[in-house]
Amino acid sequence: DAKTTQPNSMESNEEEPVHLPCNHSTISGTDYIHWYRQLPSQGPEYVIHGLTSNVNNRMASLAIAEDRKSSTLILHRATLRDAAVYYCILRVGTYKYIFGTGTRLKVLA
Amino acid sequence: NAGVTQTPKFQVLKTGQSMTLQCAQDMNHNSMYWYRQDPGMGLRLIYYSASEGTTDKGEVPNGYNVSRLNKREFSLRLESAAPSQTSVYFCASRTGQSGIGYTFGSGTRLTVV
Repeated sequence: DAKTTQPNSMESNEEEPVHLPCNHSTISGTDYIHWYRQLPSQGPEYVIHGLTSNVNNRMASLAIAEDRKSSTLILHRATLRDAAVYYCILRVGTYKYIFGTGTRLKVLA
Repeated sequence: NAGVTQTPKFQVLKTGQSMTLQCAQDMNHNSMYWYRQDPGMGLRLIYYSASEGTTDKGEVPNGYNVSRLNKREFSLRLESAAPSQTSVYFCASRTGQSGIGYTFGSGTRLTVV
């Protein structure tokens, strides 16, 4: 089954960029890479997704390696409200997505 | 507001009691999912329903049953609750199209004593 690997935790200073890595070396050719985040005491919320090309939206950017075996979520200017657990997830069946343990991001004022 | 609604938000059960967690979505999504999240852990998939009338097991289905009542509703039942089922339960839905992500509910915090 496809699997993702992320660091357990990362820290960033407020107003600085943050690069959150994810390894997904077993990804198949047609699987999208999804990123979600979970704020304290809330359900996960969608951040961004992509297939091959780098993607940008109002929340973040997603940089996908050329071989697609890894990706990086980029928060351009971290704020205290970005403190959350960030999950990189892949599809492991036609309709099934599996979450890993994610990266807990701590933002320092 | 459009989204995924879960009820109840909190529940305390005694060991051996049964209960059903309810989930409804109003986005006309095809697929629905139940996850559990234990303290300090990521989400684990319990069951999912790819479309109305179908259900399949996820990573941790033991001790649970599900019903896809119609396109909007997907319920999770604990027949005989155990302390190991103490967790936060999240329901999610998605359209089923490739690349389209989940919408999650706000969760049900369940404690089994």
